Formats: sequence, C-alpha cells, structure tokens
Amino acid sequence: AQSVTQLDSHVSVSEGTPVLLRCNYSSSYSPSLFWYVQHPNKGLQLLLKYTSAATLVKGINGFEAEFKKSETSFHLTKPSAHMSDAAEYFCVVSDRRAGNNRKLIWGLGTSLAVNP
Amino acid sequence: EAQVTQNPRYLITVTGKKLTVTCSQNMNHEYMSWYRQDPGLGLRQIYYSMNVEVTDKGDVPEGYKVSRKEKRNFPLILESPSPNQTSLYFCASSLEQGRGGYTFGSGTRLTVV
Repeated sequence: AQSVTQLDSHVSVSEGTPVLLRCNYSSSYSPSLFWYVQHPNKGLQLLLKYTSAATLVKGINGFEAEFKKSETSFHLTKPSAHMSDAAEYFCVVSDRRAGNNRKLIWGLGTSLAVNP
Repeated sequence: EAQVTQNPRYLITVTGKKLTVTCSQNMNHEYMSWYRQDPGLGLRQIYYSMNVEVTDKGDVPEGYKVSRKEKRNFPLILESPSPNQTSLYFCASSLEQGRGGYTFGSGTRLTVV
C-alpha cells in the first residue's frame, strides 16, 4: 500500500537560511509526487511535481525537490528562507497504475516557521 | 483566471439541517474531488468524480453525497449534518487524476452545532 511520511511535523529556520522539509514515500509502482503549500486561512497551492521526467524538480518561489528512488525520498529544499515561506507544507504521492484509480495519498504536513 | 470556486467560505449550521457546498471549475477538467482537512488527520478524500455522471467514494464518504451533472460543477451535499462533520472542506480539480497536480478551491469552513 502507498504511504507518505513527512519526517518533521514542525521546522523552524531563520530568514535567509536554507530550508529542508523531508518526505519519504512508499509505493509499489512508479509514483507521481507533489508538494503543496497552505498558507494560514488559504487554500492549497501546488509548489512542484515529479512525474518521471528529471529527478530534480524546480517549483515556484525558489523551491525544489529531488526524487531519489533508492532512498524513496522526495525532500523539499530552498536555499534561502523568506518570511513569506511560513506555512504548512504537504507531500503527496499518487500511484500511476494504468487503469486503476490513481488515488492521492497525503502526508500529515510540516509546519514551517521562519524567524526574523 | 483559471480557478476552482467554492461557496460559501464559512458556514455555521445546526444538526440535521441539509446543506450544500458548491464547487465550480473553469478549466474544463475531467476530474474533481472533495477533501476534508482535520487537525492531526491531514486531508482525507470524501468523494471523487472521473467525469460527468461518474462518481465514487473516497476514504470517508459516510454522511455525504455528491453529483456531477455538468463537467464544471461538483456540489457536496450533507443531507443531515452532524457535529463530527465540522471541518475544513476543499474542492479540487485536475485534468486527469494523479497527473499534473490539482487546483484547489479556497476552502469552506463548516461548523455544525
């Protein structure tokens, strides 16, 4: 069965320092992977997606993630945090099994705090 | 502007009073879905629709109904709301499930008293 584990429920960084949000997945088939961001009292916005092309995926707002099949990981990074990055981040996996219902499995989220 | 529109944004209702949360998308997406978000439980899928007149249960369908009579609309119906349905609800659409990511509405915060 597919599953997603976000290894940290809370991450706190200082403005201008690197961000690392960790995500491990379990999938029987070649997965599609996504990161979404949710700002307080706002909806969910797609940051980036991996769908079997380049393993290093660049997203919006300077975020990127690297798909590592051997480690079953899809960690989200950003070189320099900005105050506006403070939000909840969700790692999501979708199995790409042809003909089946490609259900989305959500991690429980990582709350990112950015300190001045 | 490409978007998913949910209404209302906030709703307080009483137990047993039928309500509908509307969802509309303007991207001609085939796939639409409803989620609820609860603290400590993440997002859980309620119902989804692969296309017009094709709907199916997600992980937590009890107490909810949906319909997909037109491609753009996917309303969520609570026939007899109960307090355990107090939650934050999101509607989402995608060109095809699992590909390319979803576009989400802004959410509906529902309180059932």
